[in-house]
Parts: sequence; C-alpha cells; structure tokens
Amino acid sequence: SQQGEEDPQALSIQEGENATMNCSYKTSINNLQWYRQNSGRGLVHLILIRSNEREKHSGRLRVTLDTSKKSSSLLITASRAADTASYFCAEQGAQKLVFGQGTRLTINP
Amino acid sequence: SQTIHQWPATLVQPVGSPLSLECTVEGTSNPNLYWYRQAAGRGLQLLFYSVGIGQISSEVPQNLSASRPQDRQFILSSKKLLLSDSGFYLCAWSPGGDGEQYFGPGTRLTVT
Repeated sequence: SQQGEEDPQALSIQEGENATMNCSYKTSINNLQWYRQNSGRGLVHLILIRSNEREKHSGRLRVTLDTSKKSSSLLITASRAADTASYFCAEQGAQKLVFGQGTRLTINP
Repeated sequence: SQTIHQWPATLVQPVGSPLSLECTVEGTSNPNLYWYRQAAGRGLQLLFYSVGIGQISSEVPQNLSASRPQDRQFILSSKKLLLSDSGFYLCAWSPGGDGEQYFGPGTRLTVT
C-alpha cells in the first residue's frame, strides 16, 4: 500500500496548548497536503507544502517537510475547542492524492 | 465561486440492490473529479478519478463503477451491493492534477 502513516492516531490536549501531528510517506512527492475533517463531514483543505519547501505557515498552522526523511508535521498553536477534528496528510502523486489514516484531535475546554 | 454537491446524504440499501450516487460541481469547467470511500475512523481510499468526460481511472478492483457523462457530473454505481460496500463516500474536485482538492459533504451508505 502507498498509504503513509500518521502519528499519533489520537491526541487529547487542553485548550490553549499546542498540538503536533506527524506524517510519514513512502513515495517521491510533488507536494504534501493537510486536511481537516469534522465528524461526519467532508474534508477541508488546510495547507499545501511543495517538495522544495521546508516550512509553511497559515494563521495558527505551521507545516514542516523533510523530504530526506519522507516526513511532515503539522503544528496547531494556541488550540481552540473548534480545532477538534480529524487531521489527514496526503501525498501528491501523479493526478491523485494518497491519504494517511489521520490523527483524531480532541481539544478539552 | 465553485460548489460541489453530493446526494443523497444518507442511504440504506439491502444487499444485492443497485446503487447510484451523484456528484456535481458548479462554477468551474473541466475539473478533475474523484470518488473516495472512508471506513469508520479510517483514512480515505481512492476509488476512481477522472480527468475528462468519459475518462475514468479505477484504483481498486471492486464491486463499483464510475461514469462521467458530463463535464461536471460524476456518478458512482453498483449493480449489486455487498455488505462490504458500506461506508462514507466522498466526491472531490480539483482544478488540475497537482493541487488541493475540494470535497463534497459525503454520502453515508449502509448496506443491510
């Protein structure tokens, strides 16, 4: 299977803390993307980082990419209750994305 | 702006019955279109994708088929459903093959 792995599978933190999720992938990529999914809903695109980039920011999100280790991380700073969701990384291949299994993030008030 | 629609939102079907799920995109032309299935608590499995009318690529051999009769319409079908076809089906589109995808709200299919 080409699917990568995400770590941890589940994460529970207090509101205001930072949350870090990691993703490992298996193939050479054009880019790597992160998505969020609220329970029972479709996925929402968060951020895309290209293979020649090492770090990217968007609001409270920070994504890093290490192509030598085939890994990426998503950091959410100053978490809020509304950040509770599942987060997926997806590696971009030819014409298609391959998604990881996701990290279930719970923010406790 | 672009929007993507899926229907129905939920569906309960008996084993052996046919299936037709529809996805339409508005506000763009010649999108790439995708069908995914998601098992409970799991990631997404790509089922089919299409880069143009009548062009379908199948990722996983299975009981399902896809068609793209119009530029912005993507249909997922089955002649006879199996219990293992239960899941959450998501349609997505992208403006090209190398960028972000935009997802519909999904269809929850339960095969009984």
